[in-house]
Amino acid sequence: GENVEQHPSTLSVQEGDSAVIKCTYSDSASNYFPWYKQELGKRPQLIIDIRSNVGEKKDQRIAVTLNKTAKHFSLHITETQPEDSAVYFCAASKETSYDKVIFGPGTSLSVIP
Amino acid sequence: NAGVTQTPKFQVLKTGQSMTLQCAQDMNHEYMSWYRQDPGMGLRLIHYSVGAGITDQGEVPNGYNVSRSTTEDFPLRLLSAAPSQTSVYFCASSYDQGNYGYTFGSGTRLTVV
Repeated sequence: GENVEQHPSTLSVQEGDSAVIKCTYSDSASNYFPWYKQELGKRPQLIIDIRSNVGEKKDQRIAVTLNKTAKHFSLHITETQPEDSAVYFCAASKETSYDKVIFGPGTSLSVIP
Repeated sequence: NAGVTQTPKFQVLKTGQSMTLQCAQDMNHEYMSWYRQDPGMGLRLIHYSVGAGITDQGEVPNGYNVSRSTTEDFPLRLLSAAPSQTSVYFCASSYDQGNYGYTFGSGTRLTVV
């Protein structure tokens, strides 16, 4: 089955700097890759996603890149702000299959003012 | 539109007791899943359903049962609670989990003593 690894497990950056979180997946048939943000004590919320027919996607200060050949994808946050502090999860699933969504173990991001 | 509703929010059980965690969604989503979240372990899939009458096991199904008699409801049953089942449980639903992200419930914090 699918296995998703995520690095780093913790990340601390100064406000205004960029943050990068990387995920790798094992099942080459996976083709949908969402990212979730979970603030302390709250539920995970979808922030951005990417499909296998796209190499990069941007939404304001966040962007995701996908390398299908290497089976890895990354989340990039630019001009970080204190409200970006949260746990970020990547996930992988198959677009058309009745299959499960597997999450990475998460990255705890701290943005220092 | 309430989204995904989980009850209860908090629960304390004694070892060996059984209980049902409730999950309901009003978005007519076909896909529903149960995850447990433990520190450092991310979100691990317990069971999932791709429609009424169809369920399947996830990564950590032992000790849990599910059923999906309607599109709206996806209850999770703990058969005989154990301290290892102390966790935060999230229910999530999606219109199409291979193309759209999940909407999560607010979670149930379960402690087994």
